[in-house]
Amino acid sequence: GENVEQHPSTLSVQEGDSAVIKCTYSDSASNYFPWYKQELGKRPQLIIDIRSNVGEKKDQRIAVTLNKTAKHFSLHITETQPEDSAVYFCAASGTNDYKLSFGAGTTVTVRA
Amino acid sequence: EAQVTQNPRYLITVTGKKLTVTCSQNMNHEYMSWYRQDPGLGLRQIYYSMNVEVTDKGDVPEGYKVSRKEKRNFPLILESPSPNQTSLYFCASRDRLGDQPQHFGDGTRLSIL
Repeated sequence: GENVEQHPSTLSVQEGDSAVIKCTYSDSASNYFPWYKQELGKRPQLIIDIRSNVGEKKDQRIAVTLNKTAKHFSLHITETQPEDSAVYFCAASGTNDYKLSFGAGTTVTVRA
Repeated sequence: EAQVTQNPRYLITVTGKKLTVTCSQNMNHEYMSWYRQDPGLGLRQIYYSMNVEVTDKGDVPEGYKVSRKEKRNFPLILESPSPNQTSLYFCASRDRLGDQPQHFGDGTRLSIL
């Protein structure tokens, strides 16, 4: 099955700086890569996703890049703000694969 | 509004007293699953279902049961709860197409004394 590894496990950044979280996956058939943000005690919420026919996708301060050859994808948050503090999960799945395989999560803390 | 609804949101109970956490989705999704989340351990899948009457074990199924008699509902059953099942539980659903997002319920915080 798919195995997703996520790094770093914790990340502390100064407000206004950028944050980058990286994930690698094992199954070359995977073609869907979502990112979820989870605030304390709340449900994971989809913040951005990318499909394998695209190399990069942006949504305001958030961007995701995908390198299918190297089997890794990254989340980039620019101009970080205190409300970006949360746990972020990456995930991967294939077209014919119901299961979403999650990374272990990254706790992001934005220092004011 | 598209949503996954879990009940109860919070429950404190005692060891051995059977309990059921309900989950319902209104998006006509085929795939549903249950996760538990413990500090530092991420999201661990308990059970999943690919359609009505089709269920299978996830990564941590011990001590849990599920059923899928209707497409919209996927209850999680703890026949004899124990303290090590104290956790935050999430139900989720997803369309059969593998490149679609997964939607989570708001979570159920269970405390087993």
